[in-house]
Amino acid sequence: DTAVSQTPKYLVTQMGNDKSIKCEQNLGHDTMYWYKQDSKKFLKIMFSYNNKELIINETVPNRFSPKSPDKAHLNLHINSLELGDSAVYFCASSPLAGGSYEQYFGPGTRLTVT
Amino acid sequence: DAKTTQPTSMDCAEGRAANLPCNHSTISGNEYVYWYRQIHSQGPQYIIHGLKNNETNEMASLIITEDRKSSTLILPHATLRDTAVYYCIAAKDKIIFGKGTRLHILP
Repeated sequence: DTAVSQTPKYLVTQMGNDKSIKCEQNLGHDTMYWYKQDSKKFLKIMFSYNNKELIINETVPNRFSPKSPDKAHLNLHINSLELGDSAVYFCASSPLAGGSYEQYFGPGTRLTVT
Repeated sequence: DAKTTQPTSMDCAEGRAANLPCNHSTISGNEYVYWYRQIHSQGPQYIIHGLKNNETNEMASLIITEDRKSSTLILPHATLRDTAVYYCIAAKDKIIFGKGTRLHILP
């Protein structure tokens, strides 16, 4: 069983479209995250949710909106896609919101905006 | 979160121990030292973490200096599959990835 899964693995779309990436974890963790890794390979945190509540919201355009229907899922909706949104997006989960914890990452979704 | 400094790249012969250094001289008392790695085209993988004491698990050992200003990740018997970018992170509750060390395992 895959601990943290993401769909789709690849996503190619045109500028201006709206798309969603789904993430699910079966580890029973309370906290989930979205990260963006750009073409220069820098990995940056975007959002963090603990038990369906937003706890970290980095400086991300409001075109990006996370949605957590339950603590096992954290989806990422992106409106009005731009060329600069092309990147690999990783979902992750961890057992605790604070203190010592380790994060488990999904395989990534490669988004290409044309 | 404390800033960390790592060498850009390192080589290690297959079968030998790989020792990856990390400086975190501004680490605060409640920040942990985490190590992750990212194998090409995969998601980052948690390796190990520690606060003050040295730690060991099935993947690696973490040696933290007594003043906590630096640490070393040790892969005891490196294999070709250990070729990856290794990230050292000093953090309390938000992990910030730096540039990491690109470790090449040589056959």
